[in-house]
Amino acid sequence: AQTVTQSQPEMSVQEAETVTLSCTYDTSESNYYLFWYKQPPSRQMILVIRQEAYKQQNATENRFSVNFQKAAKSFSLKISDSQLGDTAMYFCAFMKQRGGSNYKLTFGKGTLLTVNP
Amino acid sequence: EAGVAQSPRYKIIEKRQSVAFWCNPISGHATLYWYQQILGQGPKLLIQFQNNGVVDDSQLPKDRFSAERLKGVDSTLKIQPAKLEDSAVYLCASSFSVGQNSGNTIYFGEGSWLTVV
Repeated sequence: AQTVTQSQPEMSVQEAETVTLSCTYDTSESNYYLFWYKQPPSRQMILVIRQEAYKQQNATENRFSVNFQKAAKSFSLKISDSQLGDTAMYFCAFMKQRGGSNYKLTFGKGTLLTVNP
Repeated sequence: EAGVAQSPRYKIIEKRQSVAFWCNPISGHATLYWYQQILGQGPKLLIQFQNNGVVDDSQLPKDRFSAERLKGVDSTLKIQPAKLEDSAVYLCASSFSVGQNSGNTIYFGEGSWLTVV
């Protein structure tokens, strides 16, 4: 079974600084997807960024970027120019293909990020 | 484009009572998921539908939980009888599964908060 590990239960950063959240995963699959989701206190899961395993180029979305190391099975999220609105739980998630067009998404336990003014 | 709709947003019931949650996925999304998220943890998949068929219900406590997706669109998740440990946020999500290069991003609703007292 796939497992996703987020080793940092909590992190904090000053506004405008850069922070990196860690994620490792365990799989024997060669084709899969990785995601970072943000969950503010409202509990809505918001997609931050996605990475296809077959792509070597790291994904970026504005202030958010990832460092995808396939051999090391590592998928970290870097948030640049942190803003107060970035305060939330961040979940790393792994998606594999079950068969056909069915996919399964597995989440880590999350990292609580607090951005301080 | 409308997102995943869920209702009710909040529900408080006594143990041994029953409750039902409703979900309307994004139009055209064939795959629908129900996740349970207990406070302080990552979401756990309860059941996954592909159209109106069940793909995975391995973590659904079938003695008290049931779910259906008639006509392959809306879905209902029922708990009867509820236990204290069922207090959680129930997240519905959907995706458009057409193959490896389609995106397969899972989009979440705002969740239904359940408190069992």
